[in-house]
Amino acid sequence: DAGVIQSPRHEVTEMGQEVTLRCKPISGHNSLFWYRQTMMRGLELLIYFNNNVPIDDSGMPEDRFSAKMPNASFSTLKIQPSEPRDSAVYFCASRFRGTPQETQYFGPGTRLLVL
Amino acid sequence: DAKTTQPNSMESNEEEPVHLPCNHSTISGTDYIHWYRQLPSQGPEYVIHGLTSNVNNRMASLAIAEDRKSSTLILHRATLRDAAVYYCILRSNAGNMLTFGGGTRLMVKP
Repeated sequence: DAGVIQSPRHEVTEMGQEVTLRCKPISGHNSLFWYRQTMMRGLELLIYFNNNVPIDDSGMPEDRFSAKMPNASFSTLKIQPSEPRDSAVYFCASRFRGTPQETQYFGPGTRLLVL
Repeated sequence: DAKTTQPNSMESNEEEPVHLPCNHSTISGTDYIHWYRQLPSQGPEYVIHGLTSNVNNRMASLAIAEDRKSSTLILHRATLRDAAVYYCILRSNAGNMLTFGGGTRLMVKP
């Protein structure tokens, strides 16, 4: 398996622009997580889905952030409008819920810079 | 999720064993102890997990105290590729989420 795939790997945009981050989870996994990592706050969970349904979005910073999972093989995280404080590395992770260890598999991340 | 406490950083020499400690004094009976690591410029990756008994896999060993209030991740022979941030995380049996703390930055000297 190719693992969790994220695109783009790097994104540079200007304040006010819309940013869309994409994630393809590992085939067969039924949970998907979006995390954000910054030097100041570390690794934070933004939202997670079980069977394509959003379960907990309490980590989403504000209304400018939205996430969708239209099917089991694709998810997006959208920021509109983007702000410089959104600059971070965004990770997507997937998991097969139901195994004892419930291991999460992380993608390589998208490094976002908002100017 | 209960909290964990880890040293901010540790140093090791290549080819020597490394013991990474983690304190979790408020652990509950159903909390699993998970370890993940994050290599530079990569996403976190699973290392090992346990509940009560010590565990071994190809990457590491996990030693869990009898009272479960602490645990130690053991890398038997550190290599330069083991330089990473190691996270100790408690996950409840019913929990879906992993809450990452600050972790321990392991530096391996040649």
